[in-house]
Amino acid sequence: RKEVEQDPGPFNVPEGATVAFNCTYSNSASQSFFWYRQDCRKEPKLLMSVYSSGNEDGRFTAQLNRASQYISLLIRDSKLSDSATYLCVVNSYGNNRLAFGKGNQVVVIP
Amino acid sequence: NAGVTQTPKFQVLKTGQSMTLQCAQDMNHEYMSWYRQDPGMGLRLIHYSVGAGITDQGEVPNGYNVSRSTTEDFPLRLLSAAPSQTSVYFCASSLGGTGSNEQYFGPGTRLTVT
Repeated sequence: RKEVEQDPGPFNVPEGATVAFNCTYSNSASQSFFWYRQDCRKEPKLLMSVYSSGNEDGRFTAQLNRASQYISLLIRDSKLSDSATYLCVVNSYGNNRLAFGKGNQVVVIP
Repeated sequence: NAGVTQTPKFQVLKTGQSMTLQCAQDMNHEYMSWYRQDPGMGLRLIHYSVGAGITDQGEVPNGYNVSRSTTEDFPLRLLSAAPSQTSVYFCASSLGGTGSNEQYFGPGTRLTVT
């Protein structure tokens, strides 16, 4: 089983709609969780950290479910500028290694 | 601050050639790392460093060397390029370990080995 699994999509989303996707991780001892955003042919950039209590940043909401070992990202009122690949990232090896998922590709359609 | 810079942006090598990918950061970050990104795969860690003079292997270290003589610089050396090393290489840095610290990525180097 891969460290971090994501359904690559693409997720075609009408502008203004809500889209949500999950990411599963295999190591139950994982401590830190993140969502990064990567635009086409660009470097990844941190979107948000995921806390046990869940967190929200504007139109973006992230949740952590430790019992089922997944994290989720929800995007409300999708904008064209939200089109990107969203990478699920888990700190699985301790303090110095991150495991990256393949990413969820989101395409927001006018 | 320039953040994390990488050179070159693009490179084409012939099989067997060696080269060094440069990475520098001006944020005084202790932790630096190199990843490769291939189509259909997530980023994979090649090597990382927790501070000047200290390096360690990641998930896919074979065929690559690193050194960390200063806090700012973390070059990645390809010893004898192979077509399997065709990839996009990202350098990243963070203030401390990866446990809770944001990773800042450079713009990447697109390498083709023929």
